[in-house]
Amino acid sequence: KAGVTQTPRYLIKTRGQQVTLSCSPISGHRSVSWYQQTPGQGLQFLFEYFSETQRNKGNFPGRFSGRQFSNSRSEMNVSTLELGDSALYLCASSWRDTTYNEQFFGPGTRLTVL
Amino acid sequence: GESVGLHLPTLSVQEGDNSIINCAYSNSASDYFIWYKQESGKGPQFIIDIRSNMDKRQGQRVTVLLNKTVKHLSLQIAATQPGDSAVYFCAENTGGSQGNLIFGKGTKLSVKP
Repeated sequence: KAGVTQTPRYLIKTRGQQVTLSCSPISGHRSVSWYQQTPGQGLQFLFEYFSETQRNKGNFPGRFSGRQFSNSRSEMNVSTLELGDSALYLCASSWRDTTYNEQFFGPGTRLTVL
Repeated sequence: GESVGLHLPTLSVQEGDNSIINCAYSNSASDYFIWYKQESGKGPQFIIDIRSNMDKRQGQRVTVLLNKTVKHLSLQIAATQPGDSAVYFCAENTGGSQGNLIFGKGTKLSVKP
């Protein structure tokens, strides 16, 4: 069974631009969560989607948004990029939305904002 | 590879020794805890989990201990191998959707051959 895939793996943007990152969960998984990882703040929860609905959102500004499609694939968008948005963006999937379920992480998308 | 964190606490052990990685969690209402391993250039990988109604759980070469009184979690790795070198994170979930995990800052484990 293929793991979680994220595209692109690396991305360089300039301040003010917007970016869209993509995540394909493991086949059969319906929950997708997004995390931001930086050296200073560590791993921080962005949002979670289940059956095309956002179920939880972390403490990030409205410039960060996401969506999930009927095939469970998810995208996240960051508008008006800032230097501080440079980070590793991780996607994780699990097969259902209840607690006590293992999340499987993808390799991440490394975003650099210049 | 990519650096997952700067100025992380580092634990250096000799190959074959046992490793103990500690974590203090933040929320007394958390009822589910997970340890993840992250190697350079990769996403976090699930190691072991434990629910708050348990104080110990064992896996293959790993044991997680939970002390709810002092909000402390530990990961013990037996017979540490070079392949165990990575950054280890504890994560807690306060219930509800398991997407909302709160991660610790991480500990870098370095295994000397």
